[in-house]
Amino acid sequence: AQKITQTQPGMFVQEKEAVTLDCTYDTSDPSYGLFWYKQPSSGEMIFLIYQGSYDQQNATEGRYSLNFQKARKSANLVISASQLGDSAMYFCAMREGATVGYSTLTFGKGTMLLVSP
Amino acid sequence: SQTIHQWPATLVQPVGSPLSLECTVEGTSNPNLYWYRQAAGRGLQLLFYSIGIDQISSEVPQNLSASRPQDRQFILSSKKLLLSDSGFYLCAWSVTGGQPQHFGDGTRLSIL
Repeated sequence: AQKITQTQPGMFVQEKEAVTLDCTYDTSDPSYGLFWYKQPSSGEMIFLIYQGSYDQQNATEGRYSLNFQKARKSANLVISASQLGDSAMYFCAMREGATVGYSTLTFGKGTMLLVSP
Repeated sequence: SQTIHQWPATLVQPVGSPLSLECTVEGTSNPNLYWYRQAAGRGLQLLFYSIGIDQISSEVPQNLSASRPQDRQFILSSKKLLLSDSGFYLCAWSVTGGQPQHFGDGTRLSIL
């Protein structure tokens, strides 16, 4: 079974509107972390936001917020007031297990977001 | 502040030729280092990670190898490239396993 599932291959949104990108995950580890990255057409991966499994509140970073529903194992990214520069590929990723030492990330297949004027 | 440098940005190599991609991190000590490959239109596949000098773990057995000769230097190599080695290669670092990984700008590798 896939550990990270992003069911939306592509999403369209108009400028200034909010958009939600879906991410569901699968793990039996009680300690895990969820990350969202943005990849513009230039290729670099830009870290956006992080949510730990024990965090009580949903993470927020500027226009980005993470709608974390632990029981449903979902970690959706919400972008408020979309801008043209938000057009990019968005990846959800998960870290399982210990936060010290090493751990690796498992990435979803991504969602392409296109923002129109 | 910490920065990560990865080069070259683009590389075109013939089948059977060797490969060396280099990644260096500045502004931090003893980072965790990672090499990923991204096939066209796909997510990232972890190839190697390292928690210290000469400590390399391989996630996927393949035609590639990695080395970490210095604390902040991570090298991806191959003795003989295959067509299937084409892709976008990304280096990343993190402070610890729990912290976000920060990526370099990537290398687009085309094998002819």
